[in-house]
Amino acid sequence: KNQVEQSPQSLIILEGKNCTLQCNYTVSPFSNLRWYKQDTGRGPVSLTIMTFSENTKSNGRYTATLDADTKQSSLHITASQLSDSASYICVVSAGSSNTGKLIFGQGTTLQVKP
Amino acid sequence: GAVVSQHPSRVICKSGTSVKIECRSLDFQATTMFWYRQFPKQSLMLMATSNEGSKATYEQGVEKDKFLINHASLTLSTLTVTSAHPEDSSFYICSAGSSTGVENIQYFGAGTRLSVL
Repeated sequence: KNQVEQSPQSLIILEGKNCTLQCNYTVSPFSNLRWYKQDTGRGPVSLTIMTFSENTKSNGRYTATLDADTKQSSLHITASQLSDSASYICVVSAGSSNTGKLIFGQGTTLQVKP
Repeated sequence: GAVVSQHPSRVICKSGTSVKIECRSLDFQATTMFWYRQFPKQSLMLMATSNEGSKATYEQGVEKDKFLINHASLTLSTLTVTSAHPEDSSFYICSAGSSTGVENIQYFGAGTRLSVL
């Protein structure tokens, strides 16, 4: 069964601190993995997308890693800001066509406090 | 990145009425659009996949006669919630598939908050 699991479910950190979110997946065939940021009441916004051959991808203060052997990914946020408070969703694409399904994780809710 | 516009952002309606939600890809042609529903503190759940010019493919458990999907052009898909009931209250999100670049990339709209009284 295709599945994406994220941890922790929620996280509270102080402004300026770093944090790492985890994503484990069992999806076949694997096409790509992406991390989205979803603010409350808004649609998801793409942060990074990685294919099978990519180990790391950065987008500003966000750095995602991918280990295709262990089927794990992480999203590292550096020097957190209050605006980073959101839900972070790990999504794995199953299949290679444009109509292939996206398998969504449950998300990690991050709260950054001053 | 590509822009997907979803309208309205919020709608409140009476039970029994129908509500139409529009999803437009503003700067690219989307042969495939997806409709999701999201309940509080849960992840997105795919409702249906719509391809331009053909009937939508609904996920198991989603009533096609209740959630009407029309994908009449490469830039517009609509979701109509017919005879809405309070249990249909949810956050509905569309996405549009791009046929260039990374395979199977989807761009999401900002979502529509539906409240049925």
